Amino acid sequence: AQKVTQAQTEISVVEKEDVTLDCVYETRDTTYYLFWYKQPPSGELVFLIRRNSFDEQNEISGRYSWNFQKSTSSFNFTITASQVVDSAVYFCALSGANAGGTSYGKLTFGQGTILTVHP
Amino acid sequence: DAGVTQSPTHLIKTRGQQVTLRCSPKSGHDTVSWYQQALGQGPQFIFQYYEEEERQRGNFPDRFSGHQFPNYSSELNVNALLLGDSALYLCASSSPSSRMREQYFGPGTRLTVT
Repeated sequence: AQKVTQAQTEISVVEKEDVTLDCVYETRDTTYYLFWYKQPPSGELVFLIRRNSFDEQNEISGRYSWNFQKSTSSFNFTITASQVVDSAVYFCALSGANAGGTSYGKLTFGQGTILTVHP
Repeated sequence: DAGVTQSPTHLIKTRGQQVTLRCSPKSGHDTVSWYQQALGQGPQFIFQYYEEEERQRGNFPDRFSGHQFPNYSSELNVNALLLGDSALYLCASSSPSSRMREQYFGPGTRLTVT
């Protein structure tokens, strides 16, 4: 069984602060993919970043960066210089994959972290 | 390029009734998955359709059923509605050319059961 845990229920920051969202996962699959999604009040889930299990290189994409550590089963997401428009619910998600690296396509989500950025 | 579309946007039903929700995948996508998101929770996987067949199923009762059409669009049917079925129902599609099977989500259908 797969499990994703987002221990932070709510985070409140002031604009321009950096904020890190934590995610810890459990899976028996040796190959898997990790994702972060943003859900604004409109409800639509917006894809932000993805990482596969066989590449632990951490990357930066604009104001977004992520820290993937297989040893601790963590996939943390950082927003640099937060903005009011970043206010949303953020979900970490996990998808298992077969030996060839093809995802099964079924996402297991965490409970979500509500991020509020104040002006 | 149209993204994933869902209809209707909102729906109010009474306990015991049946409901059908519809989803059109993103252009070029052939796989459709359905998720249920209760208020304050993360989305829960219901099932996935590919080549007009149910390929994977989450922990949902048989009251939840689906269908995929030759044009890859999909329907989610829920019979004998319960109050606990009130939720946002999200449809997601993915491309056959992507190993990651990255899911693109629609805006959802908000179902209220009274």
